Amino acid sequence: GNSVTQMEGPVTLSEEAFLTINCTYTATGYPSLFWYVQYPGEGLQLLLKATKADDKGSNKGFEATYRKETTSFHLEKGSVQVSDSAVYFCALIGGGADGLTFGKGTHLIIQP
Amino acid sequence: SQTIHQWPATLVQPVGSPLSLECTVEGTSNPNLYWYRQAAGRGLQLLFYSVGIGQISSEVPQNLSASRPQDRQFILSSKKLLLSDSGFYLCVWSPGKETQYFGPGTRLLVL
Repeated sequence: GNSVTQMEGPVTLSEEAFLTINCTYTATGYPSLFWYVQYPGEGLQLLLKATKADDKGSNKGFEATYRKETTSFHLEKGSVQVSDSAVYFCALIGGGADGLTFGKGTHLIIQP
Repeated sequence: SQTIHQWPATLVQPVGSPLSLECTVEGTSNPNLYWYRQAAGRGLQLLFYSVGIGQISSEVPQNLSASRPQDRQFILSSKKLLLSDSGFYLCVWSPGKETQYFGPGTRLLVL
């Protein structure tokens, strides 16, 4: 079946540091890939997505590229801010299964 | 516009007690609905999905059940809660493969 593996936190960085959160997946066919974010006290919301190989999703300064050859969808941001502190979930849909398959989430803490 | 509601927002229940969580959607008809659970230290896990009234598919065997009594209502239930049922329960509506709308979630603590 489908699976998503992402680095587990907490990940602690200083403001303006470069961020990478690794995500790799296992799925048959060509799934769609997502990053979701959950800010403290709020619900889950879509951050970015990519639906086919080599697509790059981007939003709020975050980027992730769908790499079919390495089955990866790493999340990056060039300069993080304190307001980026949240839990980030990598997810996929497709590969013959119904519903989303999520990673365990990565808790990101940005210190001023 | 589309809206998805969950009730209650938080719940504390003793072991062995019954459970009923409700999810309702507005602004659409015949939605595909999903129940997910996030347990402590684990990712979001798909529990049930439904493509229509009375149609339920279970992804993970457990002591939970789901029902779809109306087009825009999806209910998660248990006859006897276990400690391991504690977690965050999320209802999701998906109009298509690329789009999902998340409910606000229900935080359940079983003592």
